[in-house]
Amino acid sequence: EIVLTQSPGTLSLSPGERATLSCRASQSVSSSYLAWYQQKPGQAPRLLIYGASSRATGIPDRFSGSGSGTDFTLTISRLEPEDFAVYYCQQYGSSSFTFGPGTKVDIK
Amino acid sequence: EVQLVESGGGLIQPGGSLRLSCAASGFTVSSNYMSWVRQAPGKGLEWVSVIYSGGSTYYADSVKGRFTISRDNSKNTLYLQMNSLRAEDTAVYYCARWGRIVGAFDIWGQGTMVTVSS
Repeated sequence: EIVLTQSPGTLSLSPGERATLSCRASQSVSSSYLAWYQQKPGQAPRLLIYGASSRATGIPDRFSGSGSGTDFTLTISRLEPEDFAVYYCQQYGSSSFTFGPGTKVDIK
Repeated sequence: EVQLVESGGGLIQPGGSLRLSCAASGFTVSSNYMSWVRQAPGKGLEWVSVIYSGGSTYYADSVKGRFTISRDNSKNTLYLQMNSLRAEDTAVYYCARWGRIVGAFDIWGQGTMVTVSS
């Protein structure tokens, strides 16, 4: 089973700052099946990025994804107030799905 | 409108059984890969099970042999039968569509809470 590790656990930033979130896999992951989700308290997760770097419908261009193999990154270029949330990476392979533990982006 | 609506959660004693439902609208459940994902209170997301369009099913090790995923094509509804429930199964259970074009969970329900406690 592929294990995903996310860092940092918590990122404390101010609105307008740049956020860089990391997702590392225990073995190589297909970029086609690496996704990022945003979750706010009391809400279901929302798809942000699929295929490691493609934005989902309606996602602002301040969100971007990159990476391949075992190292992937989600970048939020300039944090807006609504971006403070928990972010999860997720991979699919061999009929199994794995989520990372999440990175909480909170207001400094 | 494309949406998923879960129901069936509640308080159940350890060892008991519960069936969750997820009604889909705006798309056909049987033509898609459909999953259940859960989230224990204050914890992260955990994938539980998937049913492929062809009918194959797969489970996380933590629920294998106790949970069964199924669907009713005539009702366009996904189910999760949960047996031998344990305290550690306490969570919000989400159903989600795996969008095969995007290769990710692109549609999520609002979730239903399952509490296993005596």
